Amino acid sequence: DAGVIQSPRHEVTEMGQEVTLRCKPISGHDYLFWYRQTMMRGLELLIYFNNNVPIDDSGMPEDRFSAKMPNASFSTLKIQPSEPRDSAVYFCASSMGGRGEQFFGPGTRLTVL
Amino acid sequence: KQEVTQIPAALSVPEGENLVLNCSFTDSAIYNLQWFRQDPGKGLTSLLLIQSSQREQTSGRLNASLDKSSGRSTLYIAASQPGDSATYLCAVLSNNAGNMLTFGGGTRLMVKP
Repeated sequence: DAGVIQSPRHEVTEMGQEVTLRCKPISGHDYLFWYRQTMMRGLELLIYFNNNVPIDDSGMPEDRFSAKMPNASFSTLKIQPSEPRDSAVYFCASSMGGRGEQFFGPGTRLTVL
Repeated sequence: KQEVTQIPAALSVPEGENLVLNCSFTDSAIYNLQWFRQDPGKGLTSLLLIQSSQREQTSGRLNASLDKSSGRSTLYIAASQPGDSATYLCAVLSNNAGNMLTFGGGTRLMVKP
């Protein structure tokens, strides 16, 4: 298996623009997690899905952030409008079972100017 | 609320040395604990996962132990190599946190040739 795939790997955008991050989980995994990593706050869970259904979005910072999982092999995290404080590395992870070992993608480094 | 601490934040050792990385957590009611490795600019690689009922797990030169009652886990690296240089993160899945991992701040390891 190719592992968790994320795109793009790097994104530079200007404040106010819409940003869409993409994730393909490992085939057969039924849980998908979106994390954000910054120097100040470390790794934070934003939202997670089970069988394509959002279960807990309490980590989503504000309404500018939204996530979808239209099918078992694809998820998006959208920021609209983006702000400089959204600059971070965004990771997607998947697992078989909610309490199973989590496997992370390579991340998307987002820079908002 | 679960809190995970890793001390030291950074460690530098000569090649060949055996070393121990520490992870402590405040709430002993955990389901499992996972150790990850993160190389600069890369995603997280899962190293070992210890279930709450286990005392240790081994993979090659790595050995992770878990003492739930004292809220501690250690990652032992035998015969360290320059290729082991990376940041090591521990993450705890608490019984009352659904499927949310709580991460420590990481230990940045440098192994000098």
